[in-house]
Amino acid sequence: DAMVIQNPRYQVTQFGKPVTLSCSQTLNHNVMYWYQQKSSQAPKLLFHYYDKDFNNEADTPDNFQSRRPNTSFCFLDIRSPGLGDAAMYLCATSRAFRNTEAFFGQGTRLTVV
Amino acid sequence: AQSVTQLDSQVPVFEEAPVELRCNYSSSVSVYLFWYVQYPNQGLQLLLKYLSGSTLVKGINGFEAEFNKSQTSFHLRKPSVHISDTAEYFCAVSDQNGGSQGNLIFGKGTKLSVKP
Repeated sequence: DAMVIQNPRYQVTQFGKPVTLSCSQTLNHNVMYWYQQKSSQAPKLLFHYYDKDFNNEADTPDNFQSRRPNTSFCFLDIRSPGLGDAAMYLCATSRAFRNTEAFFGQGTRLTVV
Repeated sequence: AQSVTQLDSQVPVFEEAPVELRCNYSSSVSVYLFWYVQYPNQGLQLLLKYLSGSTLVKGINGFEAEFNKSQTSFHLRKPSVHISDTAEYFCAVSDQNGGSQGNLIFGKGTKLSVKP
């Protein structure tokens, strides 16, 4: 049974057209993360929520926003996608920080045309 | 701040041969250590983690890793690989001192290719 679900699995968007990626979890975890993973690179943390507290990584572009309306759902909004934003976007959850396991969704592969 | 170096970007190996994927880390504080596996077009799955205690950690799918504090290493090993182990493997660390600084920092990954 999938515990972290990302929709859609594949998303094609036009250059400059806003796009939203979604993530839901059935684990009731406090923390939800969004990572960006470009081809042959390590996942890079964009931001995370601890409950409703939002933490943006210092080098995350303003073009990327996130919403967490409730415990189960978290959204990644890209306001004006550029060609350089094409990547796999991974959502993850964990019960807490530090020594707890992070559970990842299957990812959404974003293509910008 | 922490960093993770995975020394090999690609490791080809024949089926049933042993394999070691190398990981070194740098940190000014104590860390927790993790290995994740990523199959093509999939998310990451935890293989094993070191939090404390015995430095030899056993994980899923027959993998194990050994934490070596003096060498700041956490190499992943499997005595006999299968075709199904073909995937990308990521080493990661998190700061034991916690808070939001306890987020995972990943290495660049090692692509393991198992050939028949």
